[in-house]
Amino acid sequence: QQQVKQSPQSLIVQKGGISIINCAYENTAFDYFPWYQQFPGKGPALLIAIRPDVSEKKEGRFTISFNKSAKQFSLHIMDSQPGDSATYFCAARLSQAGTALIFGKGTTLSVSS
Amino acid sequence: GAVVSQHPSWVICKSGTSVKIECRSLDFQATTMFWYRQFPKQSLMLMATSNEGSKATYEQGVEKDKFLINHASLTLSTLTVTSAHPEDSSFYICSATWRFFGPGTRLTVL
Repeated sequence: QQQVKQSPQSLIVQKGGISIINCAYENTAFDYFPWYQQFPGKGPALLIAIRPDVSEKKEGRFTISFNKSAKQFSLHIMDSQPGDSATYFCAARLSQAGTALIFGKGTTLSVSS
Repeated sequence: GAVVSQHPSWVICKSGTSVKIECRSLDFQATTMFWYRQFPKQSLMLMATSNEGSKATYEQGVEKDKFLINHASLTLSTLTVTSAHPEDSSFYICSATWRFFGPGTRLTVL
């Protein structure tokens, strides 16, 4: 019940295309769903996050779509660029102060030019 | 700029020695920090929650006597890997809140 399932494991997208990464969860006590971008040898960086009472959030080329009834959320990267090539992690946070995150297994995105 | 720093960024040590990794929050005070471990091509796994002024909370399966955590101030948490062995080689990442992660420390134990 504490898991966050992420798919696909890897993704290849043409430059200018849309990258879509999906995550699913079971625990309804999660109160925040962030996405992180990680480059090799670096720590993860927060990209965008959403609360479960919001169905969509957009920041630049990055959009989170959230389906509370299905317990699923996804990251869409519009106009994907080679610089977007990285590993993306979805995560979920329990609704308690000071709690850590539950991470998905990650998706390695390669954007070909 | 970075709001969470880690030092060192990489370290190589001999088996049996101890290594200390520092995690600092630069622009804010953090009563709680988190330590994660990441093996190659894997996700981040929470090791422990570091609480300022009190004992750390370790995740199941993490040896508290091997991975010593000290959170002596509101801006500094340290992770000491005692008697390190090659299987402890990994990428160690700290975070202060869910928003800010450190750049990571690559530990290689020979």
